[in-house]
Amino acid sequence: NAGVTQTPKFQVLKTGQSMTLQCAQDMNHNSMYWYRQDPGMGLRLIYYSASEGTTDKGEVPNGYNVSRLNKREFSLRLESAAPSQTSVYFCASSGHPQETQYFGPGTRLLVL
Amino acid sequence: TQLLEQSPQFLSIQEGENLTVYCNSSSVFSSLQWYRQEPGEGPVLLVTVVTGGEVKKLKRLTFQFGDARKDSSLHITAAQPGDTGLYLCAGPQTSGSRLTFGEGTQLTVNP
Repeated sequence: NAGVTQTPKFQVLKTGQSMTLQCAQDMNHNSMYWYRQDPGMGLRLIYYSASEGTTDKGEVPNGYNVSRLNKREFSLRLESAAPSQTSVYFCASSGHPQETQYFGPGTRLLVL
Repeated sequence: TQLLEQSPQFLSIQEGENLTVYCNSSSVFSSLQWYRQEPGEGPVLLVTVVTGGEVKKLKRLTFQFGDARKDSSLHITAAQPGDTGLYLCAGPQTSGSRLTFGEGTQLTVNP
């Protein structure tokens, strides 16, 4: 049982480049989330999808877009990367919005 | 948005010591969850407390939910280096749309 998987694990971008972070879960969960975590800090919610077909902004959505492709997959896109987006990105899923969240291993992104 | 404040932000102790970390809010939560994040990994749920005054034990870890359901604490007895990590509390928003996470307590247990 893979749980939540994220690709890629590491990525280096130049300022202005675009990329998509992929996330998939095999637990038949309804809700999925994207967080960023900066060194020594907690989690900040970027976007979430409470159920298939819906997406909502979190605390720090600027510079990002998301797509809930189907029930399993939730992608995060950086259209024009900036050094301020250097961070570790975590995807998570839960059966319902108030339930336990299961996290992926993270994507470490460096924007030069 | 209901906020959760965790203290202390950083804690460095020697193996064998006891410690307590706190998660406080001015709002009432229906439940609170505690997660631990080890270096290089995603957070993993440790426990959920649901009833005011509830105490749950997980080996050397004791979790308590305040009577008014506005705060929670995590007490670790005889800390070990394997307890090192970021401890996060989280609670459901009354809107029901998502969880709110605290900023976390970064614990380092030195051998």
